[in-house]
Amino acid sequence: AQSVTQLGSHVSVSEGALVLLRCNYSSSVPPYLFWYVQYPNQGLQLLLKYTSAATLVKGINGFEAEFKKSETSFHLTKPSAHMSDAAEYFCAVTSRSGGSNYKLTFGKGTLLTVNP
Amino acid sequence: DAGITQSPRHKVTETGTPVTLRCHQTENHRYMYWYRQDPGHGLRLIHYSYGVKDTDKGEVSDGYSVSRSKTEDFLLTLESATSSQTSVYFCAISGVDEQYFGPGTRLTVT
Repeated sequence: AQSVTQLGSHVSVSEGALVLLRCNYSSSVPPYLFWYVQYPNQGLQLLLKYTSAATLVKGINGFEAEFKKSETSFHLTKPSAHMSDAAEYFCAVTSRSGGSNYKLTFGKGTLLTVNP
Repeated sequence: DAGITQSPRHKVTETGTPVTLRCHQTENHRYMYWYRQDPGHGLRLIHYSYGVKDTDKGEVSDGYSVSRSKTEDFLLTLESATSSQTSVYFCAISGVDEQYFGPGTRLTVT
């Protein structure tokens, strides 16, 4: 069984400030981990993914995340927030088994607000 | 963008009526998925398919059925819609190391 916990349903930062969105996972097998972003009234776009290569993963739009097995965490960061980063962010986990069958388990999402 | 389309994009229907949502892909991927998105719940897997005529249940499959007669099409059917099925429905396909999502269908059951 897998699960994802996103701490904080709503995070508010000032433009230029550090963005930190927290994600903790539970998985009985080595996981693949993902961060998706959803802008209002749109679908989900992949930000970055961890698939057992480097533990520090860089994604689009200046975001990165670090896989920490000992802490079962995969927190998303960005050094300097832009107004355009305002969106909802979802962390997701899947197991590595089953070929390319990625049944994702999602967290409940974190809404990021960026204040001018 | 991965070639995934969903139809309709918006639908309003009455309680008790059947509804079918369509997902179409042009990528020839084997695996296809239906999720629903609700505030405070993130996305939850309804059903998925691992090939033509091969489907399985997800975590919230009650009240839903699916069919896949062709690689490119995956249909989600609500046999008798209820207000609790008001949601945004997303289709997804699996590529190499990630899933690609369609634009979503907003369904309102009145």
